[in-house]
Amino acid sequence: EIVLTQSPGTLSLSPGERATLSCRASQSVTSSYLAWCQQKPGQAPRLLIYGASNRATGIPDRFSGGGSGTDFTLTISRLEPEDFAVYYCQHYGSTFGQGTKLEIK
Amino acid sequence: EAQLVESGGGLVQPGGSLRLSCAASGFTFSTYWMHWVRQAPGKGLVWVSRINSDGSGTTYADSVKGRFTISRDNAKNTLYLQMNSLRAEDTAVYYCARAGLAMGWAADIWGQGTMVTVSS
Repeated sequence: EIVLTQSPGTLSLSPGERATLSCRASQSVTSSYLAWCQQKPGQAPRLLIYGASNRATGIPDRFSGGGSGTDFTLTISRLEPEDFAVYYCQHYGSTFGQGTKLEIK
Repeated sequence: EAQLVESGGGLVQPGGSLRLSCAASGFTFSTYWMHWVRQAPGKGLVWVSRINSDGSGTTYADSVKGRFTISRDNAKNTLYLQMNSLRAEDTAVYYCARAGLAMGWAADIWGQGTMVTVSS
C-alpha cells in the first residue's frame, strides 16, 4: 500500500510569494497517476494537476507540478488571495496525502 | 457540464444502515471509474471505495471492507454506497468523484458531498 506524506503541514506565506509544497510516496509511483487537488473551506476538492505536471482545465498557469519516482512538488509561482486553501496530493485517485494548509502570513 | 450530485446522507444510530446515491450528468457515466471519498469534520480526505466502469470490479479501504458496498447503475447514471453496521468513526462528509484514463485516473470531478452522522 502506497502512503503519501505531504510537507509542510502548514505553510504561512504572503500574497505574491512563491509556494512550494511537497508530496513524498512510500515507494516509487508512476508519475502518470500522481495528482494534486485544492480544497477551500466548505467546498468540494478541485483537481489542479494530473499526471504530475499537467494542469487541469481552467487552472491558472501559476500552478505547476513536477517530480518523479517518490518525490513530487506543487509550485504556486505568485500567490493570489484565492490560493490560500488546503492542498492534497493523490495517487490513482485512491490514496491521499494528509494535506498541506496554505495560510496567509 | 459534468456534474455529480450526492444524496442520502443523514443522522443514523450506531449499527444502522444508510444508502448514498450519486447522480451523474453531463458526461458518459458508463466510461468512468467512480470513487467514494470521505472527510471527517476538520480532517483530511480519505478514500473509501472504487468501482470500475462496468461495475465488475470494486475495491475498498480496510476500514470499511465487509460493511460498505459500492455499486452503480449505468442505465440510471447513478453510483451508490450501501453502508451497514455504521460506527461513530464513519461520521463524515461523503463525496463521489469520477476518474478517467485521460486524467491519469485522478479524481477530476467531485460532487458537493453529503453529510453522514452516526450518533445515538
